[in-house]
Amino acid sequence: GAVVSQHPSWVICKSGTSVKIECRSLDFQATTMFWYRQFPKQSLMLMATSNEGSKATYEQGVEKDKFLINHASLTLSTLTVTSAHPEDSSFYICSARGGRGLDGYTFGSGTRLTVV
Amino acid sequence: TQLLEQSPQFLSIQEGENLTVYCNSSSVFSSLQWYRQEPGEGPVLLVTVVTGGEVKKLKRLTFQFGDARKDSSLHITAAQPGDTGLYLCAGARGNTDKLIFGTGTRLQVFP
Repeated sequence: GAVVSQHPSWVICKSGTSVKIECRSLDFQATTMFWYRQFPKQSLMLMATSNEGSKATYEQGVEKDKFLINHASLTLSTLTVTSAHPEDSSFYICSARGGRGLDGYTFGSGTRLTVV
Repeated sequence: TQLLEQSPQFLSIQEGENLTVYCNSSSVFSSLQWYRQEPGEGPVLLVTVVTGGEVKKLKRLTFQFGDARKDSSLHITAAQPGDTGLYLCAGARGNTDKLIFGTGTRLQVFP
């Protein structure tokens, strides 16, 4: 079946530094990838949609200059949290859409970011 | 404003009990999906419902899509401790494939 690999699974960084999270579709080409953020005991909130070869589309209220998304190939999207602050600490999850129809959303295992 | 509201928000029950989780919206969705998420992991797809009024069964889980495609329910029969987790409904609207998640229902089943 479709597999999405997300790395790292957890990261601790100092305030003011940048962190990159990778999302790879291992056995299919993902035309579209989605990035979500999940705070403790809450649901997933869509941050942005990334399409291969074009600029990402950000949801209202999400700072595009802070959360840089690059979808350089059909199997890789990256999310870079720039100048991270403690309030950016969260669980970040990516999802890839491979055009397999209604069930075609495959989720990564998530990245726990802690900014100290 | 959350497009998809789930109720209840929390549910704590004994093994063997039945339960129903609701997912409601004022918007029409072309399809709705139900996921279960364990702590520290990504959500795992349980089912997709497409047709208004559709009922799907997955062992002890029964999923229903409302006739107007604005709401859905998940019924679990004879809950087991292994059913514990965060249950999420999610939908994509119209011609967009953005998957929007519901507010979530956290279920705990005690042995």
